[in-house]
Amino acid sequence: GNSVTQMEGPVTLSEEAFLTINCTYTATGYPSLFWYVQYPGEGLQLLLKATKADDKGSNKGFEATYRKETTSFHLEKGSVQVSDSAVYFCALTPRGSNYKLTFGKGTLLTVNP
Amino acid sequence: DAGVIQSPRHEVTEMGQEVTLRCKPISGHDYLFWYRQTMMRGLELLIYFNNNVPIDDSGMPEDRFSAKMPNASFSTLKIQPSEPRDSAVYFCASSPGRHGYTFGSGTRLTVV
Repeated sequence: GNSVTQMEGPVTLSEEAFLTINCTYTATGYPSLFWYVQYPGEGLQLLLKATKADDKGSNKGFEATYRKETTSFHLEKGSVQVSDSAVYFCALTPRGSNYKLTFGKGTLLTVNP
Repeated sequence: DAGVIQSPRHEVTEMGQEVTLRCKPISGHDYLFWYRQTMMRGLELLIYFNNNVPIDDSGMPEDRFSAKMPNASFSTLKIQPSEPRDSAVYFCASSPGRHGYTFGSGTRLTVV
């Protein structure tokens, strides 16, 4: 079956630090990959996505590259801000007509000033 | 576009009562999903619809839960009777297909 594994949190960083949140997946074929972010008290928002191997998704300074060889989609940001404090979810949807998203468990990021 | 609209935002009810959660998806989105989020289990997909038809309800925890989508602009998730272990945040999401979902702000349900 399909599954997503992301690094356990919580992650605590100082402002302007470099961020990496690891995500690996198991899926048949080549899924589409996503990162969602959930700010406190809100629903999940799509942060970025990649739909084929070697694609790089980017948004708001965050980046992730679809690595087929390592079945990974790690999230990175060069300089985090306090406003980036949130829970980050890696997710996939398989090829074909099944659009059901499979989520990782989420990683809580706290950025201190 | 107003996004996915859920109501109510918060619901507190007594054990045994019926609870109905509501969702209005984004116009033109063919898929609608109901998720439940708890600290213990994370995000769980309960059920999803395609063109108003339930496709996969394998995540519905038990017969106390039911979901309907009478038309393209409205869906409900009902719990009857409610129990304290149903306390969670329930999210509705809609999608035009494979390129990601748009989530609502959620309904925080507390059953006492």
